Amino acid sequence: GESVGLHLPTLSVQEGDNSIINCAYSNSASDYFIWYKQESGKGPQFIIDIRSNMDKRQGQRVTVLLNKTVKHLSLQIAATQPGDSAVYFCAETLGSGYSTLTFGKGTMLLVSP
Amino acid sequence: GAVVSQHPSWVICKSGTSVKIECRSLDFQATTMFWYRQFPKQSLMLMATSNEGSKATYEQGVEKDKFLINHASLTLSTLTVTSAHPEDSSFYICSAISGQGYGYTFGSGTRLTVV
Repeated sequence: GESVGLHLPTLSVQEGDNSIINCAYSNSASDYFIWYKQESGKGPQFIIDIRSNMDKRQGQRVTVLLNKTVKHLSLQIAATQPGDSAVYFCAETLGSGYSTLTFGKGTMLLVSP
Repeated sequence: GAVVSQHPSWVICKSGTSVKIECRSLDFQATTMFWYRQFPKQSLMLMATSNEGSKATYEQGVEKDKFLINHASLTLSTLTVTSAHPEDSSFYICSAISGQGYGYTFGSGTRLTVV
């Protein structure tokens, strides 16, 4: 289930389940969105991106959905594995990737074997 | 692919001293680099944007005289935390982009502890 901690919401799932991580972004003018995975003590790692002219994009085991009407992004991870345990951040920006990124609050994903 | 190297990965310093963190783009030229600060269980907060050969642009609330940024070449940006205090203890992360379509590439971060 999902719980909201003091600073970071946490999603706990069983290995093999599908995970859905949600993000509400702030700027309706943003037109490029990125999902990052951050393991403890490391920098963010690119997972998948999507431009505002799309509403869905698929990668390997991951899918990003974009709903511009309600300014909502989601990251779906299929067949979640223990190695997927990390903090996941969405980020938004204006333009093609040369502007500043604004990060969301993040969600901690805990995968139990 | 694009690689950004950040050093040191961790540092402990005494209160009142200065610490320099380096961010290098290893296989591309980074015209723009960003510096972020991240407190435990929180998101990344942008501190400043540095462009090669010009002064950095600081975000509101970030003291430019305390956090000195130098981007003297297309492959190196440095962040110097001057007169560090315990409240400056944090995880500092750099990011680089280039004009070649690599997008955003992040360094591995530097854990600063001020005692």
